[in-house]
Amino acid sequence: GNSVTQMEGPVTLSEEAFLTINCTYTATGYPSLFWYVQYPGEGLQLLLKATKADDKGSNKGFEATYRKETTSFHLEKGSVQVSDSAVYFCALSDLRGGADGLTFGKGTHLIIQP
Amino acid sequence: DSGVTQTPKHLITATGQRVTLRCSPRSGDLSVYWYQQSLDQGLQFLIQYYNGEERAKGNILERFSAQQFPDLHSELNLSSLELGDSALYFCASSPHTGSGNTIYFGEGSWLTVV
Repeated sequence: GNSVTQMEGPVTLSEEAFLTINCTYTATGYPSLFWYVQYPGEGLQLLLKATKADDKGSNKGFEATYRKETTSFHLEKGSVQVSDSAVYFCALSDLRGGADGLTFGKGTHLIIQP
Repeated sequence: DSGVTQTPKHLITATGQRVTLRCSPRSGDLSVYWYQQSLDQGLQFLIQYYNGEERAKGNILERFSAQQFPDLHSELNLSSLELGDSALYFCASSPHTGSGNTIYFGEGSWLTVV
């Protein structure tokens, strides 16, 4: 079946540090890949996505590249801010079986200190 | 604001009881998804409806059921509640189906079973 593995954290960084959150996946078909972010007390918001190999998703300074050869979709940001503190979820959507519900990783809690 | 509306936001009920969670999808979205978020299980896909019909089932218990009405709103019914059912239940919607389809989440309904 499908699965997503990501570092759980918490990951604690200083403001303006470089961020990488690793995400790898297992899928039976040709998945689309997503990063969602959950701020305290809120629902999940789509951060970025990529629908095929070598695509790069980007938004708000965050980037992730769909690497089929390494089955990875690592999230990066060059300079983090305190406001980036949140839980980040890597997810995939795979149409095999006709369902496109998202399969999520367990989430990575990111804490940015001033 | 994602445009997905969930009610109630918070609910406390006793074991053995039954509750109904309600979801209004984004205007025009035909597909509705239900997810459960708990500390031990993370984010679990429960069920998906598309234009009134069940499309996919995930890790949904037999005590739980859902439906999507002609006006496209959806309800998740949870019965014979147990302490372990305490969780944050998210509804999400998307315009249609398909891998790469962006799924928009509501803010969730917090269920506490005492």
